[in-house]
Amino acid sequence: DVKVTQSSRYLVKRTGEKVFLECVQDMDHENMFWYRQDPGLGLRLIYFSYDVKMKEKGDIPEGYSVSREKKERFSLILESASTNQTSMYLCASSNPTRGETEAFFGQGTRLTVV
Amino acid sequence: AQKITQTQPGMFVQEKEAVTLDCTYDTSDQSYGLFWYKQPSSGEMIFLIYQGSYDEQNATEGRYSLNFQKARKSANLVISASQLGDSAMYFCAMREGEGSQGNLIFGKGTKLSVKP
Repeated sequence: DVKVTQSSRYLVKRTGEKVFLECVQDMDHENMFWYRQDPGLGLRLIYFSYDVKMKEKGDIPEGYSVSREKKERFSLILESASTNQTSMYLCASSNPTRGETEAFFGQGTRLTVV
Repeated sequence: AQKITQTQPGMFVQEKEAVTLDCTYDTSDQSYGLFWYKQPSSGEMIFLIYQGSYDEQNATEGRYSLNFQKARKSANLVISASQLGDSAMYFCAMREGEGSQGNLIFGKGTKLSVKP
């Protein structure tokens, strides 16, 4: 079974803190994604990566950065957390070049910034 | 402009009846994929069904079928014989482009409630 694991299920951080959300997948997938999910807004893409050290901005990259030093790990970084970054964060991975169609998701990290 | 539009924020269906969840999409790519995911209250995202832009037949997976109308750019999900466990958020998504570099774009979702 494909496994996408996010490091924390729940996280509480203070305004101004630097926050790292980690995501690891064990199926050698090329693509990895970070989304945030807010009620009424669905899933919005923050960043995605299609290879090691490669990254592309999604729809809402402001206030975030990412790192992909190894194929299996994709980190989302909040440089200086703000209360409007309180949200559910979902990581996903996929590998359409292998004929696999769907993206697999982690369990989500619910981040609260106080 | 939204690339994926789900016009029904919430829907109700009676148990054992069929229900259609609407999804329209916008792309200029010739090659793309369309997905439906289910998210129960536990928060996990469960893949339901996939339709490729070149697939001539509508995709089916058990009680789920995708009504793909390419000219109308619609990809509605049909759930037959609804069950109480079908109550959840449902998201339509699209992957644009060839190969491995296409990102995955989601709609805002539809909350389905199945009534006993």
